[in-house]
Amino acid sequence: DTGVSQDPRHKITKRGQNVTFRCDPISEHNRLYWYRQTLGQGPEFLTYFQNEAQLEKSRLLSDRFSAERPKGSFSTLEIQRTEQGDSAMYLCASSLEGLTDTQYFGPGTRLTVL
Amino acid sequence: AQSVTQLGSHVSVSEGALVLLRCNYSSSVPPYLFWYVQYPNQGLQLLLKYTTGATLVKGINGFEAEFKKSETSFHLTKPSAHMSDAAEYFCAVSAIASGGSYIPTFGRGTSLIVHP
Repeated sequence: DTGVSQDPRHKITKRGQNVTFRCDPISEHNRLYWYRQTLGQGPEFLTYFQNEAQLEKSRLLSDRFSAERPKGSFSTLEIQRTEQGDSAMYLCASSLEGLTDTQYFGPGTRLTVL
Repeated sequence: AQSVTQLGSHVSVSEGALVLLRCNYSSSVPPYLFWYVQYPNQGLQLLLKYTTGATLVKGINGFEAEFKKSETSFHLTKPSAHMSDAAEYFCAVSAIASGGSYIPTFGRGTSLIVHP
């Protein structure tokens, strides 16, 4: 068990560019979550997958954001036409459906939009 | 809708002293309540959670929290602070989401500072 991994750990981009982040959950975990955390705030929920199905999306997830989990394993989060307000830490978590359903978080991807 | 208020963005204690981090919540349905810890450059880690049953919940690293419905509170305590407890602590509240999982709404966090 290597934990939840995220790639890249840091991303610097220019406004208007597209970026894509990857999350690899703990193997056998069928649930995967994306959150965004800005400085001085707690994480905010973006979206959630159970297997390959995207079950919930936050209103924070504008049309420029899209997430996929095509085979029910890893997930990608894409931000199109980035804006300076997108600068944040993007966190991924995974959990195993069941009694405890504890979410295990990855280290995050820090995005800076110049 | 759910919301969480963490009182005090910073709490400073001496090593060996009692740790008390305050959390009040608002929820229209019976809540699930959580405390997470975030060490620098690391992901969040679940300390403890309350779902149903016993209102005093024990977690990892000697932390515990008590669910008090009448006060809508879920304060986190530890009898004796250790230097390694210095971190950011987040309280969260959740209802059940689609598919039976939970989606926490986090507070803004409290930074715990431990002095030698």
